[in-house]
Amino acid sequence: GQSLEQPSEVTAVEGAIVQINCTYQTSGFYGLSWYQQHDGGAPTFLSYNGLDGLEETGRFSSFLSRSDSYGYLLLQELQMKDSASYFCAVRPLWKDYKLSFGAGTTVTVRA
Amino acid sequence: IAGITQAPTSQILAAGRRMTLRCTQDMRHNAMYWYRQDLGLGLRLIHYSNTAGTTGKGEVPDGYSVSRANTDDFPLTLASAVPSQTSVYFCASSPGQGDTGELFFGEGSRLTVL
Repeated sequence: GQSLEQPSEVTAVEGAIVQINCTYQTSGFYGLSWYQQHDGGAPTFLSYNGLDGLEETGRFSSFLSRSDSYGYLLLQELQMKDSASYFCAVRPLWKDYKLSFGAGTTVTVRA
Repeated sequence: IAGITQAPTSQILAAGRRMTLRCTQDMRHNAMYWYRQDLGLGLRLIHYSNTAGTTGKGEVPDGYSVSRANTDDFPLTLASAVPSQTSVYFCASSPGQGDTGELFFGEGSRLTVL
């Protein structure tokens, strides 16, 4: 099976940097994805790491290390609009390859 | 561009009643999914469909059924609702079978079973 662990809450000020860690226990997976969700609305895709290393998309970056069973989402130059929940998800080699999500991290950005 | 449309957006239902949540996509995506979201548990997969005419069970399929008669529609049915099915339900789709880890989600249907 697989289990994804992320911190439940993170608080930071505008302009700061936040790193959301995602550790996992799984027998194997294709890649690690990250999603953002505002106020219980539709989750939206942020990034995907199919290979180890860093993927950068504007102010957001995502990292994967399969050897360490670990990944993270890095939010830079935090803005108020970044206040949201962030979910990591893996696409396991079993379960017909469907995405399995972590419980989510609520990020609160303060002025 | 609508993307994924879910209906109803919110519903209060008596236990034991039958309920169908509707999901329609206009992106011609092959795969579609139903997730439920509960506080502290993230998103859990209920059922999925890789292509029209096929369906599969996810992590929490009991008490739910789906059908995929065509590419665009993927309704979720609760045959006899129970209070533990109170949740927010999200429909999603992907062009293939989620190879890039990217799903497109609807706005959700909030269901309360009393």
